[in-house]
Amino acid sequence: QKEVEQDPGPLSVPEGAIVSLNCTYSNSAFQYFMWYRQYSRKGPELLMYTYSSGNKEDGRFTAQVDKSSKYISLFIRDSQPSDSATYLCAMSVSSGSARQLTFGSGTQLTVLP
Amino acid sequence: GAVVSQHPSRVICKSGTSVKIECRSLDFQATTMFWYRQFPKQSLMLMATSNEGSKATYEQGVEKDKFLINHASLTLSTLTVTSAHPEDSSFYICSASGGNGYTFGSGTRLTVV
Repeated sequence: QKEVEQDPGPLSVPEGAIVSLNCTYSNSAFQYFMWYRQYSRKGPELLMYTYSSGNKEDGRFTAQVDKSSKYISLFIRDSQPSDSATYLCAMSVSSGSARQLTFGSGTQLTVLP
Repeated sequence: GAVVSQHPSRVICKSGTSVKIECRSLDFQATTMFWYRQFPKQSLMLMATSNEGSKATYEQGVEKDKFLINHASLTLSTLTVTSAHPEDSSFYICSASGGNGYTFGSGTRLTVV
């Protein structure tokens, strides 16, 4: 069993839809949770970073963490074609500068105009 | 924001030759550099972790003599794929820790023919 499981999709939604992306994990030592967006043939860019259970909102993006269920989500409101990308969840045990991230396999999202 | 410049973005080489990939942190000091490999529609797999002035720590299954990592300064790390073979064809991404946290390079698409 992988430490982090993520539905690879692909997921296709119409413009304006609410998108829900999810990851589950098995290692209860994970304390820090991130969502990255990766456009085709580019490096990932950080979207959201959180370390506590609950919701964190940033513009159209909301990250949700449920440590008791070992489940995290990313919600995208009013989705746009420019949101079409692969979304990767990532987790780490520590927050130090040398911490290693464990990534999900990524969900490919297409927002249709 | 923090920027990591990765070059080249794409390289095609003949089997048996060596290829060097560079990552530079442009406006911060990268105390730790991570090198990842990503196959199509798969997640990032950590290859090695390097700290400036120290030998890199390689993940299990990654040949240190094949994937040479040099992190001689706080702004530059290089990955050299020695005696490349077609199975080494992949997308290689660096990530620097420092500044505002984690910053990824834009990736290098290596094709060995």
